[in-house]
Amino acid sequence: DQQVKQNSPSLSVQEGRISILNCDYTNSMFDYFLWYKKYPAEGPTFLISISSIKDKNEDGRFTVFLNKSAKHLSLHIVPSQPGDSAVYFCAASGGFGNEKLTFGTGTRLTIIP
Amino acid sequence: ETGVTQTPRHLVMGMTNKKSLKCEQHLGHNAMYWYKQSAKKPLELMFVYNFKEQTENNSVPSRFSPECPNSSHLFLHLHTLQPEDSALYLCASSQQSRGTTGELFFGEGSRLTVL
Repeated sequence: DQQVKQNSPSLSVQEGRISILNCDYTNSMFDYFLWYKKYPAEGPTFLISISSIKDKNEDGRFTVFLNKSAKHLSLHIVPSQPGDSAVYFCAASGGFGNEKLTFGTGTRLTIIP
Repeated sequence: ETGVTQTPRHLVMGMTNKKSLKCEQHLGHNAMYWYKQSAKKPLELMFVYNFKEQTENNSVPSRFSPECPNSSHLFLHLHTLQPEDSALYLCASSQQSRGTTGELFFGEGSRLTVL
């Protein structure tokens, strides 16, 4: 049973437009959510996170939105740049005392110049 | 110098071979992890070490044997693997303490192919 789901395996977006990556989770005990970005032949790198006490966190071009009632989070990238082309993983943890991360399957984002 | 380094980056081995993957972290973290990434699957947690003590073994077959001699080094010993064990093996580290919430720093991975 997959507790963190990324239902879109791939996404293509024109350069300069907004990229929206989605993630759904089933475990209501999750209270901390992260996005990781992975280039080919490299390990994932941390991008942005959000605690369940917030519904939005912004860092430059990247914004993560959390809808707890829908158990849904999304990552917005605006404006999208060619260097954003990568695989994006959503991850969740149960917070203090249960820091183990559960990952989604990833979404491959391609930015079209 | 990257915070988490893994060697080798690529490894091809037969099913009867014995090999080891090595991970070293330069971040002063107290926890280290092995993850497995297979095609079209989520990252799967294999082992967790906190202060050199194994705190999690996620039902991993015994043909995978971890070793953590100190908080900076982590090994994954491999023996009599199967072709379905071919995957990218990722090492990660984090600073686990009260209030921290699991931000992992990953190495670049070791791509394993079992023939």
